[in-house]
Amino acid sequence: DADVTQTPRNRITKTGKRIMLECSQTKGHDRMYWYRQDPGLGLRLIYYSFDVKDINKGEISDGYSVSRQAQAKFSLSLESAIPNQTALYFCATSPRLAGVTDTQYFGPGTRLTVL
Amino acid sequence: EDQVTQSPEALRLQEGESSSLNCSYTVSGLRGLFWYRQDPGKGPEFLFTLYSAGEEKEKERLKATLTKKESFLHITAPKPEDSATYLCAVRGYGGSQGNLIFGKGTKLSVKP
Repeated sequence: DADVTQTPRNRITKTGKRIMLECSQTKGHDRMYWYRQDPGLGLRLIYYSFDVKDINKGEISDGYSVSRQAQAKFSLSLESAIPNQTALYFCATSPRLAGVTDTQYFGPGTRLTVL
Repeated sequence: EDQVTQSPEALRLQEGESSSLNCSYTVSGLRGLFWYRQDPGKGPEFLFTLYSAGEEKEKERLKATLTKKESFLHITAPKPEDSATYLCAVRGYGGSQGNLIFGKGTKLSVKP
């Protein structure tokens, strides 16, 4: 079984619709992240969470919100989807290691298309 | 501003033809440099973490090296299954704790 799972894997929606992308992990990691990937732009951080009560904005948080329901679950919402939010979305997790830079492990991704 | 530049954007090799990918970085104090492999439509797969200049790590046909300004991913005698996009990322002391800064990647194609 995959350590980091994302649902759905593919989603097509219309402008103005509310969309939720979900991420679950069985790695036991405290830290979780949401990224988007666009052709030619690389991976960009949307939001991150170091524990259930800690949520932080990343580089491109406008138009997105998140919820950390439990240590193992981190959801990303698009309140009113727009076409330029069409992208690949990745969830990642990392352990909290004192004194060492933690490595992030990525899920399989969700391909979102907003028409 | 922390920045990562990868070159070349694309690289085509014949099977067995060794080469190197470059990752140049600018960061306010390096906490770690990461290499990932990404296959089309899939999530990045972790390869290596390097922490200080002079450090080297190897895995099968891949070897990553680090200097104060750049990292190289050396591919020795590549096979077609090594075809993928290779991503470099850095994490510095200056930015927010959660931020990895990614390069745009090098797309490697290995022909039999």
